[in-house]
Amino acid sequence: NSKVIQTPRYLVKGQGQKAKMRCIPEKGHPVVFWYQQNKNNEFKFLINFQNQEVLQQIDMTEKRFSAECPSNSPCSLEIQSSEAGDSALYLCASSPTGYYAEQFFGPGTRLTVL
Amino acid sequence: GDQVEQSPSALSLHEGTGSALRCNFTTTMRAVQWFQQNSRGSLINLFYLASGTKENGRLKSTFNSKESYSTLHIRDAQLEDSGTYFCAAEDSGGSNYKLTFGKGTLLTVTP
Repeated sequence: NSKVIQTPRYLVKGQGQKAKMRCIPEKGHPVVFWYQQNKNNEFKFLINFQNQEVLQQIDMTEKRFSAECPSNSPCSLEIQSSEAGDSALYLCASSPTGYYAEQFFGPGTRLTVL
Repeated sequence: GDQVEQSPSALSLHEGTGSALRCNFTTTMRAVQWFQQNSRGSLINLFYLASGTKENGRLKSTFNSKESYSTLHIRDAQLEDSGTYFCAAEDSGGSNYKLTFGKGTLLTVTP
């Protein structure tokens, strides 16, 4: 189904530590999304990119996360100072265009903040 | 309130039977996707629809943007169909293409 690669699959951090996860989108997909899924199955859009440019990010992402999609390197999402409430499944998706385009998801990085 | 209301939240089916899941939208959506999330957390794409009906094996999905709903029909349920099903839609007024997800339907198929 999907060819989006995410690493690591599991990440355990202490509060205040940095947590970094990576995503390789499907080949030929210039649009990349990051979503957070919490234990209540609530999905939150975090940020998206078209090639290397940020299209939109929510307030939380702007303040506490750093994210990039450099050319010829994996995309990354990093929480600067982890909080217990950041424990969640972080999903990366890619699509061939942004508009009217199916999104394909990676297997996710499950972050646990102790 | 939630833009995407998914029902039921849980569903139990015996093998060989069928049922329907539904998502209602409170704003106009331009496209909808349906996913199955397996026990490992992977989201498997089932359907992408901008309108109309699509069918794939024992699954069929419809999206009516005018009446703001989408359905996923499962027939002849099998044990491997168990999992959590999500609908997710792209807001037609949005400019950043993000998906808004429903809260999921936990499907359990029993022998």
